[in-house]
Amino acid sequence: NAGVTQTPKFQVLKTGQSMTLQCAQDMNHEYMSWYRQDPGMGLRLIHYSVGAGITDQGEVPNGYNVSRSTTEDFPLRLLSAAPSQTSVYFCASSYSWDRNYGYTFGSGTRLTVV
Amino acid sequence: AQTVTQSQPEMSVQEAETVTLSCTYDTSESDYYLFWYKQPPSRQMILVIRQEAYKQQNATENRFSVNFQKAAKSFSLKISDSQLGDAAMYFCAYRREDGGATNKLIFGTGTLLAVQP
Repeated sequence: NAGVTQTPKFQVLKTGQSMTLQCAQDMNHEYMSWYRQDPGMGLRLIHYSVGAGITDQGEVPNGYNVSRSTTEDFPLRLLSAAPSQTSVYFCASSYSWDRNYGYTFGSGTRLTVV
Repeated sequence: AQTVTQSQPEMSVQEAETVTLSCTYDTSESDYYLFWYKQPPSRQMILVIRQEAYKQQNATENRFSVNFQKAAKSFSLKISDSQLGDAAMYFCAYRREDGGATNKLIFGTGTLLAVQP
């Protein structure tokens, strides 16, 4: 049971480049989400999905796109990278029906935009 | 909108002693869930303990326990017999009860705990 798998673990981008952070889970979780972690700011929600074909914006969605074509996968796309997007990104998943479950997190992606 | 506040950016404790990390939250809801997550230097987010708001009894997991004060909207984490492996960033988080509509977790800004040998 792999849990939540995020790739890559590290990435350096030049300003203006685009890329996709991959996230896959094998627990049949309906709910998936992307957070960014910045020093002194905790984890902030970027986008989330309550099931295949359904996505919505979180607290800091600008500059990011998501889609959810399958239950397992929830990729995060950076359209045109900016230095302000330098951060650690976490994918997390959960059962929709069990709010006491908490989240299962991926191991994170450290992204640097130069 | 719900908010979660951790007022202690950094804390330090001697090995084998007890430390309490503070967390307060703001909500108008009566049903919700609270969590403490640990993030060691490996960056992995690890669930430490959880509390359902409708349960009056404080949750306990081995050396970790919470002091849940619903009226005061306070949810502190107590670590007993601190160990070197407890050194980490600790995040408090809130999840509202909305019938599964969003399942969003709202995080505090974290408390960095150092354990001195």
